Amino acid sequence: DAKTTQPPSMDCAEGRAANLPCNHSTISGNEYVYWYRQIHSQGPQYIIHGLKNNETNEMASLIITEDRKSSTLILPHATLRDTAVYYCIVRVANYGGSQGNLIFGKGTKLSVKP
Amino acid sequence: GAGVSQSPSNKVTEKGKDVELRCDPISGHTALYWYRQSLGQGLEFLIYFQGNSAPDKSGLPSDRFSAERTGGSVSTLTIQRTQQEDSAVYLCASSLGQGAEAFFGQGTRLTVV
Repeated sequence: DAKTTQPPSMDCAEGRAANLPCNHSTISGNEYVYWYRQIHSQGPQYIIHGLKNNETNEMASLIITEDRKSSTLILPHATLRDTAVYYCIVRVANYGGSQGNLIFGKGTKLSVKP
Repeated sequence: GAGVSQSPSNKVTEKGKDVELRCDPISGHTALYWYRQSLGQGLEFLIYFQGNSAPDKSGLPSDRFSAERTGGSVSTLTIQRTQQEDSAVYLCASSLGQGAEAFFGQGTRLTVV
């Protein structure tokens, strides 16, 4: 069963913020929210992850709701090169053991248009 | 090397032949993942190695598929008696630990003719 639900596709104008939603209503207390993206013909690329606090790095911001049942990935100024499939994944993030596998769903295909 | 290296980058094989795909993870990374991606499709999980734990083989599609990881480093994915439906890009990733950022290789494009 998929742990996350994302819209299959979204459009965004170049230079505008891209806000990609993700629902994860069954997330457990020890599961983090991860975002990856896959640009055409390339391997997936890590973007950001978080547990409950909002996170920001040089690529994006991650906003997680207080109940942790949903999150939004924000690309503040989308460029044409941000056109990709974006994957939201929930997984355990503890070292050791066999939990914490990285399972990809169908993702959201983001098209940034000029 | 600086990143995850996979070889060969392309492989064309005849139906029924066995193939071996190699993944060299980033040095020191304890977690290693294999995926395949058919044309226009999402990433399909195959197998996951984490340190000395038993690998998670739940994604292997049939007993023709197997993988091993020697010395906690290099991994080989073997497909026996290849079929046309095995044609796909096979991606390998590694991470410092199971919670850390995973880095992907460029993949091996397998074509079974």
